[in-house]
Amino acid sequence: EAGVAQSPRYKIIEKRQSVAFWCNPISGHATLYWYQQILGQGPKLLIQFQNNGVVDDSQLPKDRFSAERLKGVDSTLKIQPAKLEDSAVYLCASSLDYTRVVYNSPLHFGNGTRLTVT
Amino acid sequence: QKEVEQNSGPLSVPEGAIASLNCTYSDRGSQSFFWYRQYSGKSPELIMFIYSNGDKEDGRFTAQLNKASQYVSLLIRDSQPSDSATYLCAVDPGNQFYFGTGTSLTVIP
Repeated sequence: EAGVAQSPRYKIIEKRQSVAFWCNPISGHATLYWYQQILGQGPKLLIQFQNNGVVDDSQLPKDRFSAERLKGVDSTLKIQPAKLEDSAVYLCASSLDYTRVVYNSPLHFGNGTRLTVT
Repeated sequence: QKEVEQNSGPLSVPEGAIASLNCTYSDRGSQSFFWYRQYSGKSPELIMFIYSNGDKEDGRFTAQLNKASQYVSLLIRDSQPSDSATYLCAVDPGNQFYFGTGTSLTVIP
């Protein structure tokens, strides 16, 4: 089974520039998550999709961050304009289906994109 | 944001000893609890999950859950240097996976 694919692995940009990250979840996984992990901290949920609908985006800074999952498979996360404090690893994860009462439905993470904003 | 708290460490144990990692959570409605291991520069990988009170064993790892005390722990027996990593506790009140800040573990040869 192929894992969660993310690209790029690394990105360095200057503040006020824009950047986009791409994620392809595990085949058949309906739920997709974007997390931000700042060095020394745990992952923080930015947005959660169920198929192509948004379940939770309460912690997404919507003035600069946007995300979409148009066909219910791939997803992109965009930052525009970037700030210094956006330097972090952006992790994409997927799980089978959050609407099912399946207690052992864990998250599977991609390798992440390390963003450095200078 | 739901509260998930872990002792950030660092926790150091000698090789062969038992490492004990603890996690508390605030949402009493939480159903599932996961432990992830994260090596430096890598993404989190699932070690094990638990959703019933009591102990669950998987090889050298034992997860313990006490919902009344809102407490979950991970024991690593016969610790190896390869176990040196950050251990993340994740709590699922409804498939929304809130993570703690992680505990850094170092196993000294």
